[in-house]
Amino acid sequence: EIVMTQSPATLSVSPGESATLSCRSSENINTNLAWYQQKPGQAPRLLIHDASTRATDIPARFSGSGSGTEFTLTISSLQSEDFAIYYCQQYNNWPPWTFGQGTKVDFK
Amino acid sequence: QVQLVESGGGVVQPGKSLRLSCESSGFTIRSYGMFWIRQAPGKGLEWVAVTFYAGNEKYYADSVKGRFTVSRDSSKDTLYLQMDRLRIDDTALYFCARGRGGGSRVDWLDTWGQGTLVTVSS
Repeated sequence: EIVMTQSPATLSVSPGESATLSCRSSENINTNLAWYQQKPGQAPRLLIHDASTRATDIPARFSGSGSGTEFTLTISSLQSEDFAIYYCQQYNNWPPWTFGQGTKVDFK
Repeated sequence: QVQLVESGGGVVQPGKSLRLSCESSGFTIRSYGMFWIRQAPGKGLEWVAVTFYAGNEKYYADSVKGRFTVSRDSSKDTLYLQMDRLRIDDTALYFCARGRGGGSRVDWLDTWGQGTLVTVSS
């Protein structure tokens, strides 16, 4: 099973600043990685797939990068609606499809 | 509008059964792989089960294998999760989600329902 590890667990950011979230896989997953955003009481929302392809209607301030075992989600100029928990998910080797434990982005 | 709506959650005793439903609108589930994902209270996301669009290929997490069964009724555009021999650690919010990927793959999840809560308690 591929283990996904996200860091940091919590990232405190001020509105207008940038946030950089990391996701590491226990083995090479090429670019077979997705990112999701989850707000309290809501379902997750797909942000990025194939490591860097924005999903439909996702703002350009969200960008993904990386390949192999190291991945990054960058949110430039954070807006109030971006404070949420972010999860990465690998789909290179399945089953199982595995998620990271999440990074919470909150107000500084 | 593409949408998924789960139902069937509730409070159940350990060892009992429950069947969850997930009704789609705006698309037909016959053409997609479909997932069940769960989230225990205050925890992260855990893949539970998947059925590929052809319907004959299914996979389960080790934690539910032999107890849970995923199925679909394409005529009703509804996905199901039959949960038997429930355990306390099955307590979670259960989401259904649509899978996408290249060709016949089911890789990422592009549409999610709001979830239905299953509580296993004596």
